[in-house]
Amino acid sequence: EVQLVESGGGLVQPGGSLRLFCAASGFTFSSYWMHWVRQAPGKGLVWVSRINSDGSSTNYADSVKGRFTISRDNAKNTLYLQMNSLRAEDTAVYYCARDRTAFQHWGQGTLVTVSS
Amino acid sequence: SYVLTQPPSVSVAPGQTARITCGGKNIGSKSVHWYQQKPGQAPVLVVYDDSDRPSGIPERFSGSNSGNTATLTISRVEAGDEADYYCQVWDSSSDHVVFGGGTKLTVL
Repeated sequence: EVQLVESGGGLVQPGGSLRLFCAASGFTFSSYWMHWVRQAPGKGLVWVSRINSDGSSTNYADSVKGRFTISRDNAKNTLYLQMNSLRAEDTAVYYCARDRTAFQHWGQGTLVTVSS
Repeated sequence: SYVLTQPPSVSVAPGQTARITCGGKNIGSKSVHWYQQKPGQAPVLVVYDDSDRPSGIPERFSGSNSGNTATLTISRVEAGDEADYYCQVWDSSSDHVVFGGGTKLTVL
């Protein structure tokens, strides 16, 4: 069974940093592109970033480019999102999702709250 | 950047057919995917590549895509279909994934 489990969320002050984790199991992690998608409270889904299967190619939404870094460790079956210079508008549930363009598998999400 | 436009809300009586649209410039040339999201839950893929259904998704869910509009059609709507629905594409020009703003389906 495919499982994606996010962790690392929490309360952080504006300007602070946080690292999110997505632990994958039930499939060959190193074969799949992975994404981060976020959802602010009461709002819609917003794509954040993606990484290809071997980690050699990444891409970011304009709103996070230069502040967030996506990476992966295929030996540990783990996807990461390093978030720096956090802003109030980054407050959201962050989901990791699998597959190249249509996301058949999602984690349960982890909540990031940016507030003083 | 590429923009997808969905109506904020659609209402339908049980047993009727719901149609949720997703507008985008020449969207017919792209592959459109649709997600269902219920409160407090992660999204679920219900249609991919315009009109294909993942395993486990009822045949009542179908999709079409042509010109500047893609459509998710839910036949014989049930109370359990009440949810937010999002369309999504991959924009090759920017190499970005794009979601529509979402449509809240209300079953009357």
